Amino acid sequence: ELKVEQNPLFLSMQEGKNYTIYCNYSTTSDRLYWYRQDPGKSLESLFVLLSNGAVKQEGRLMASLDTKARLSTLHITAAVHDLSATYFCAVDRNTGNQFYFGTGTSLTVIP
Amino acid sequence: DAGVTQSPTHLIKTRGQQVTLRCSPKSGHDTVSWYQQALGQGPQFIFQYYEEEERQRGNFPDRFSGHQFPNYSSELNVNALLLGDSALYLCASSLMRAPYNEQFFGPGTRLTVL
Repeated sequence: ELKVEQNPLFLSMQEGKNYTIYCNYSTTSDRLYWYRQDPGKSLESLFVLLSNGAVKQEGRLMASLDTKARLSTLHITAAVHDLSATYFCAVDRNTGNQFYFGTGTSLTVIP
Repeated sequence: DAGVTQSPTHLIKTRGQQVTLRCSPKSGHDTVSWYQQALGQGPQFIFQYYEEEERQRGNFPDRFSGHQFPNYSSELNVNALLLGDSALYLCASSLMRAPYNEQFFGPGTRLTVL
């Protein structure tokens, strides 16, 4: 069974600060996906990382993938309140089938 | 371009009842996956449908069944509901022959079992 772990599970940070969310997974995969979920809502796709060393940036969020370490990071720069949400990473086995989701990181940005 | 749609939005059932949830994939997509998301947890894969057949199944009992129609829409059926089936049920669509498996999620159906 493929395991995906995120840390931290909960993150409270002040506006303007930087922080990183980590996503570790237990088996070989070249593809990792980051999603955002607002309370009571569905999942919004943020990044698709398709190879070792891939880096994607959108606004204050930057995601990277190290397939050798089986690690992805989601870096938040100069956080703003609008970034408050739960962030999930997900991995597939390169088979086009199921996603294995992480435990989620609940982010609260405090003014 | 219509995204993934699901119905109903909310549903309340009692233990032992049966429920059917519906999903229409994003335009151009041919594959539908279903996930169960319990409160405070990440989504768990239930099964995936492609070409009207169940292609892969997660660790869910046979009480969970599904169907895909020729127009690619899909249904999730749950029989003999348990309290533990209360969750947000998410449908995701994708294109099987795409170079990577990006899945687009619908708004979900919130099922409450009393």
